[in-house]
Amino acid sequence: GAGVSQSPSNKVTEKGKDVELRCDPISGHTALYWYRQRLGQGLEFLIYFQGNSAPDKSGLPSDRFSAERTGESVSTLTIQRTQQEDSAVYLCASSLTGGPGYEQFFGPGTRLTVL
Amino acid sequence: KNEVEQSPQNLTAQEGEFITINCSYSVGISALHWLQQHPGGGIVSLFMLSSGKKKHGRLIATINIQEKHSSLHITASHPRDSAVYICAVPYSGGGADGLTFGKGTHLIIQP
Repeated sequence: GAGVSQSPSNKVTEKGKDVELRCDPISGHTALYWYRQRLGQGLEFLIYFQGNSAPDKSGLPSDRFSAERTGESVSTLTIQRTQQEDSAVYLCASSLTGGPGYEQFFGPGTRLTVL
Repeated sequence: KNEVEQSPQNLTAQEGEFITINCSYSVGISALHWLQQHPGGGIVSLFMLSSGKKKHGRLIATINIQEKHSSLHITASHPRDSAVYICAVPYSGGGADGLTFGKGTHLIIQP
């Protein structure tokens, strides 16, 4: 079956605008994760969904960041009033269920550039 | 939050050499992941292990839970192994949550 998909693949926006990034996990995967990778830096955890609920939002860097998931499938990461420091590749991953014993499958990422 | 240290940060070796990448973490865990990030940015899961050793082709991963340490080995390295190798552990040590990552080891294998 298809892997994790993300859209758009690239997004250029102006400082102060809102953006929405989309993730379609592998069908049947109940756990979904958002990460980001800023240029030259390592991956950072943002948020984790089990089903439609997010038991761990501790990685979200500010209240400008929010995420939702509906129907135990698609998830949207929203960044309000974007800042230049939000420029990064945003990666989504999914796994069969949450928990450390399950492999995570990564999407190709959305490259966000805030001008 | 779990802290992850990887070494070396950069490694250049000749084709055929045996490669070792090390990872240590601060909080006890139940599983550790090794990931590979290709030059184009795609990330692939190589191993997930909670004890002992796993082998896949020329790749071997080991973990010592008591010492909070894992190693990734590549035997008979090849230029196509050139990539960034990333160690990751559960963000808060256990349970169902996201991963926290090492800064990665940038490996270049020269022909």
